[in-house]
Amino acid sequence: DAGVIQSPRHEVTEMGQEVTLRCKPISGHNSLFWYRQTMMRGLELLIYFNNNVPIDDSGMPEDRFSAKMPNASFSTLKIQPSEPRDSAVYFCASTKTGREETQYFGPGTRLLVL
Amino acid sequence: AQSVTQLDSHVSVSEGTPVLLRCNYSSSYSPSLFWYVQHPNKGLQLLLKYTSAATLVKGINGFEAEFKKSETSFHLTKPSAHMSDAAEYFCVVTRRSVTGGGNKLTFGTGTQLKVEL
Repeated sequence: DAGVIQSPRHEVTEMGQEVTLRCKPISGHNSLFWYRQTMMRGLELLIYFNNNVPIDDSGMPEDRFSAKMPNASFSTLKIQPSEPRDSAVYFCASTKTGREETQYFGPGTRLLVL
Repeated sequence: AQSVTQLDSHVSVSEGTPVLLRCNYSSSYSPSLFWYVQHPNKGLQLLLKYTSAATLVKGINGFEAEFKKSETSFHLTKPSAHMSDAAEYFCVVTRRSVTGGGNKLTFGTGTQLKVEL
C-alpha cells in the first residue's frame, strides 16, 4: 500500500503567485481531508470530501483558498493569490467511512510564501 | 461539542525510563480517541486508537493508552523510552459530522517528547 501521496513535498513561491497542492488518497478510501499546520494555530481542518463531494469547508480561511476532488483518486488545494501568512505545512488525509474510521496522513507539503 | 486537552506541552525523560503523556477529553457523544505521532519534518502516524472496545489499547512501538471514562482521560504510556521516541504526540478525538460522511478530528495542541541519554 503506497499510503497517501502528496506533491510537491516542498514549495517556495512569491506573494501573489498561484499555488496548487496535490493529493492522492489511499485506494478504496472515500473520505479525504485537507489540514494546515502552523506553530501558532496547530493542526486545522480546512475542508473534507466524502465520495468526492465537499461536505464541510468551514475551515477554509478565505476565498483565496479552493479545493476540488474531480475523482476518487485525486484532490487539489489551490491558493490564489498566495500570501506570506499562508506559509505552513499542508497535510492530506484519507479514510474509509464506516464504524471505525482511522485517518491516514500523507507526508505533507511544506509551503513557504515569500 | 468535543475538545482535547494535552496537559503538558513538553515532556523530557531519560532513555529507559517510563513515558507518560497526559490527555483529557470532553465529548457530548461516546468518543473515539486516537494518539498520533509526528517525527520532525514528517507526517502524522497513527500510534493507537480507542473505539469503544477494550479500554486498554496497545499500539505500535510499545505504546499503550487506557480509556478512563470516569476521569475523561486517555493517557499515553510506554514502559521504557527509546531515543527514537523523541517526537511530537497528538491526542485526537472524533466528532461525527452532522451532515454525514466522515469523522472530523479534533486535535490537541501536542506534546513534545524529548528523550535524553
